[in-house]
Amino acid sequence: NAGVTQTPKFQVLKTGQSMTLQCAQDMNHNSMYWYRQDPGMGLRLIYYSASEGTTDKGEVPNGYNVSRLNKREFSLRLESAAPSQTSVYFCASSGSQGANSPLHFGNGTRLTVT
Amino acid sequence: GDSVTQMEGPVTLSEEAFLTINCTYTATGYPSLFWYVQYPGEGLQLLLKATKADDKGSNKGFEATYRKETTSFHLEKGSVQVSDSAVYFCALSEDTNAGKSTFGDGTTLTVKP
Repeated sequence: NAGVTQTPKFQVLKTGQSMTLQCAQDMNHNSMYWYRQDPGMGLRLIYYSASEGTTDKGEVPNGYNVSRLNKREFSLRLESAAPSQTSVYFCASSGSQGANSPLHFGNGTRLTVT
Repeated sequence: GDSVTQMEGPVTLSEEAFLTINCTYTATGYPSLFWYVQYPGEGLQLLLKATKADDKGSNKGFEATYRKETTSFHLEKGSVQVSDSAVYFCALSEDTNAGKSTFGDGTTLTVKP
């Protein structure tokens, strides 16, 4: 019963380095999301994908790109990491009930950029 | 745009105390409302939800009622346990916003034995 799986769990980057955060879900969900969580700021949406083949910007997309590789997988890429991107990143997915569908979250990737 | 405001924390209670965490929202339409819980080192998980006015969501002794007239969705539990210590997030989702969720800032609850 895997649900939403994120890798890696922890990562340290130097300013300017790039990396890709991986996310996969096994619940046959159409929609997938990337959020970042910062102290005292709740969760902020970076990008989302309402269905396979589509992606859209969220609240804080600058400095990130995404790829919806297939229905299961949704990756987040940092092309040139900055200290401001130090955060905990959560991938989530939701089913086909629209706004009534709750989000299912992975356990997060804790990223530190020095 | 949509917004969610939660009572500021942290909240510290003794075991078996009554819990209320306030949540109010602003939305353009008729949102669905959710409470999520986050335990240390984990992702958020759904605690309960309500999809229309006057609905009551409940789970694990927690309850929240969708109050359209006061735009509120306060979380309550009659008797908290140490194991309830976590961060609680109120959230809303609207079809008019492509089903995307808007979250409050979270309230940290610590329950002491």
